Amino acid sequence: DAKTTQPNSMESNEEEPVHLPCNHSTISGTDYIHWYRQLPSQGPEYVIHGLTSNVNNRMASLAIAEDRKSSTLILHRATLRDAAVYYCILRKYNFNKFYFGSGTKLNVKP
Amino acid sequence: EAGVAQSPRYKIIEKRQSVAFWCNPISGHATLYWYQQILGQGPKLLIQFQNNGVVDDSQLPKDRFSAERLKGVDSTLKIQPAKLEDSAVYLCASSLNRYTEAFFGQGTRLTVV
Repeated sequence: DAKTTQPNSMESNEEEPVHLPCNHSTISGTDYIHWYRQLPSQGPEYVIHGLTSNVNNRMASLAIAEDRKSSTLILHRATLRDAAVYYCILRKYNFNKFYFGSGTKLNVKP
Repeated sequence: EAGVAQSPRYKIIEKRQSVAFWCNPISGHATLYWYQQILGQGPKLLIQFQNNGVVDDSQLPKDRFSAERLKGVDSTLKIQPAKLEDSAVYLCASSLNRYTEAFFGQGTRLTVV
C-alpha cells in the first residue's frame, strides 16, 4: 500500500487560511486521496476526498498536484474548533480498507 | 441520523483478563471496521467486515483477538487474554459500502494494568 508523508505539527492563527501538505510519491492510478481529522477525545471524521481534480466542500478544499504525488488540504478560515490531527490517506477504489499514518497536529491560536 | 455507537466508553482490566467491546454501526451500513489507536499514533486497522463476512484481518493478532459481526449488523471485538500493550482506544467505524466515507464512533478506551 502506498504511503503518505505529513509534517508532525503545524500552527495557524484563528481566521487565517491553513494549508496542510501531504506527500504521496508512490500513489497509483487507482488511489483516491482522502482526508480525515480527529478532534481531541473523538473518533476521526471525514473531511474530503479526491482523485485528480481539485475538490471543494463546506469543510475544506483539496488541491491535488498535476502529477498526483502531493496534495494540500486547505481550511479557508481556521477556527479554534479546527484544532485537530489531520490524516491524509490513500484508498484504492475497489478496496475500501484504509490505513492511517501519524497525521499532522494542527494548533490554532486565538 | 444516529451515529456509530460503542460501549463501554472506558474499561480497566488486569493483564491476562478478557474483555469485549461492542459496536452498533449506522443503520444500513454494510461495511464495518475495528481500529486500534495507541496514544500518540494514528488508528491501526484490525479487521474489516463486509456485511457479516471478513474482508481483511491481516493486522489482527489472532492468537488473542477475535471479532464477529452477527447478522451483518452489530459487532463484538474480544481480547483474551489481554496484555499491557493492548492499552489503547478501540474505534469502530462503518460505511454504507466499501466505496464511501467511514463514520467513526467515539471509541472505547482500554487500560490494562
